Amino acid sequence: DIQMTQSPSSLSASVGDRVTITCQASQDISNYLNWYQQKPGKAPKLLIYDASNLETGVPSRFSGSGSGTDFTFTISSLQPEDIATYYCQQYDNLPTFGGGTKVEIK
Amino acid sequence: QVQLVESGGGVVQPGRSLRLSCAASGFTFSSYGMHWVRQAPGKGLEWVAVIWYDGSNKYYADSVKGRFTISRDNSKNTLYLQMNSLRAEDTAVYYCARERGLGVVVTAMGYWGQGTLVTVSS
Repeated sequence: DIQMTQSPSSLSASVGDRVTITCQASQDISNYLNWYQQKPGKAPKLLIYDASNLETGVPSRFSGSGSGTDFTFTISSLQPEDIATYYCQQYDNLPTFGGGTKVEIK
Repeated sequence: QVQLVESGGGVVQPGRSLRLSCAASGFTFSSYGMHWVRQAPGKGLEWVAVIWYDGSNKYYADSVKGRFTISRDNSKNTLYLQMNSLRAEDTAVYYCARERGLGVVVTAMGYWGQGTLVTVSS
């Protein structure tokens, strides 16, 4: 199985800050990497697919990059409504998720 | 618009069975691969199973292989998860999710239901 290691597991930042989350795969997964947002009590929502493509309707402050084993998810200017847990997910093989990053407002 | 509505969750004793359903609407169900994903209380997401748009292929996480069966009825626009020999560690919210793209399978999960809670306890 491909393991996905996400870091940090949690972070606290101020409104307007740039927030970066990383995800490392245990083997090369090309660009087969997605990012999801999950707000408390809600279902996950797809934000980024194929490592860097913004899903329709998702604000442009969200972005993703990377290929191979190392990936980055960025919120360019953190907003109060971005409080959530973010997950990476690979699909080079059967899907596996990272452990999640809980984003809070400082 | 795309809607996925899960049902069938509840409290069940260890070793017993339960069948979850996911009613789909707002899209051509028979053209999309479908997944089950679960989330234990306070924990992260765990992929459970996937079924091809035509039901021709099915794959499972090791944690449920041999105990759970994914199936679909394209005439009823409904996805199922038959869960046998349930264990305490199967306690979770179970989500059904639709593939983002038409025809392709095992890429991104573009639409999710609201989930149904399964509690395995004596």
